[in-house]
Amino acid sequence: GAGVSQSPSNKVTEKGKDVELRCDPISGHTALYWYRQSLGQGLEFLIYFQGNSAPDKSGLPSDRFSAERTGGSVSTLTIQRTQQEDSAVYLCASSLQGSSYEQYFGPGTRLTVT
Amino acid sequence: AQRVTQPEKLLSVFKGAPVELKCNYSYSGSPELFWYVQYSRQRLQLLLRHISRESIKGFTADLNKGETSFHLKKPFAQEEDSAMYYCAFKRVVGAGGTSYGKLTFGQGTILTVHP
Repeated sequence: GAGVSQSPSNKVTEKGKDVELRCDPISGHTALYWYRQSLGQGLEFLIYFQGNSAPDKSGLPSDRFSAERTGGSVSTLTIQRTQQEDSAVYLCASSLQGSSYEQYFGPGTRLTVT
Repeated sequence: AQRVTQPEKLLSVFKGAPVELKCNYSYSGSPELFWYVQYSRQRLQLLLRHISRESIKGFTADLNKGETSFHLKKPFAQEEDSAMYYCAFKRVVGAGGTSYGKLTFGQGTILTVHP
């Protein structure tokens, strides 16, 4: 079946604007993760949703970042008042039933803040 | 806090040569270790995990708790092995040995295998 999909694939925005990044997990996967891939920082965890449990937001770098997951499926990562240091590839992953299962990654959204 | 270190950002070898990508972790408890690979213009994907103790595409990795290492090895590198490799870590928590969801990644190593 289809893998994890993300949209848009590329996003260029001006500093100070808000952006929304979307992730469609694999059908039936209850766990969803957001990571950020940047040149200086490597791959960093941002946030983790597992079923109806409260999300683990421990990786969000500032309060400008937020994410939600509606109906246990699609997730949106929102970055408010974007800064140049937010430029990165944002990766989404999903897995079955959370922790012990393989995480499958999407193709990523490349965000460029000018 | 747990941390994963991959000391080499770039690694170049010739086809047929042995290759070892180094990974060290810092964590006082029980870890679950992984290697992920990203080929050019492809998605990040799981290569292998230490609990499987298997060889994938000729690669193996052994968890050494004494040295807190999980180095990735292949005896004879191939050109198609050229990619970005990430070592990653999950905490194992609870009496049931459940591993906690988020992955902590190293900085990654770009492997180039020359013909």
